[in-house]
Amino acid sequence: AQSVTQLDSQVPVFEEAPVELRCNYSSSVSVYLFWYVQYPNQGLQLLLKYLSGSTLVKGINGFEAEFNKSQTSFHLRKPSVHISDTAEYFCAVSAVMIYNQGGKLIFGQGTELSVKP
Amino acid sequence: ETGVTQSPTHLIKTRGQQVTLRCSSQSGHNTVSWYQQALGQGPQFIFQYYREEENGRGNFPPRFSGLQFPNYSSELNVNALELDDSALYLCASSTAGRLAEAFFGQGTRLTVV
Repeated sequence: AQSVTQLDSQVPVFEEAPVELRCNYSSSVSVYLFWYVQYPNQGLQLLLKYLSGSTLVKGINGFEAEFNKSQTSFHLRKPSVHISDTAEYFCAVSAVMIYNQGGKLIFGQGTELSVKP
Repeated sequence: ETGVTQSPTHLIKTRGQQVTLRCSSQSGHNTVSWYQQALGQGPQFIFQYYREEENGRGNFPPRFSGLQFPNYSSELNVNALELDDSALYLCASSTAGRLAEAFFGQGTRLTVV
């Protein structure tokens, strides 16, 4: 079984400052890793994903994340945030399996990013 | 926009009633997964349908059931509604294969009173 822990429930930050949202996972098998963003009253939008290869993954809206297998972490970073980045961010994992498992995601509790002017 | 549509967007039901939520998957996708997102929580996996059959289930009671149709659209049915069923229900569609990613709809906000 897999589990995901997002270490911060709320992260307040000033506009144009850097930000890091932390995510740790636990799994007995190899996993794919994802970050999703959710704006108020909306569904989930994929920011980025790690499937294999380079451990530094770049996503949309200037976000990037680094997969660290030894520390079982997948922290999300952005060098300079905007007011429009204010949203809920979810880290998720999916076990690597032979057949279709694309929809079986295990989510963390979410981190609320609040960008202040 | 993902191409995954859910209906209705909001609804209010009374405890004990039954509800049906609908999801149209993105063109070319044959797998639909349903998630429940309670207020202030991350989404929790309910079940997945692949080629019209249930393909895995999370820790939800049998009163949560589903269907997938030949056009890959799907329904989530919840019987004997409880107050704790109040949540945002998200549908995600994907393609078969190991590197599939899920595309989410906007969700249905269910309030049980």
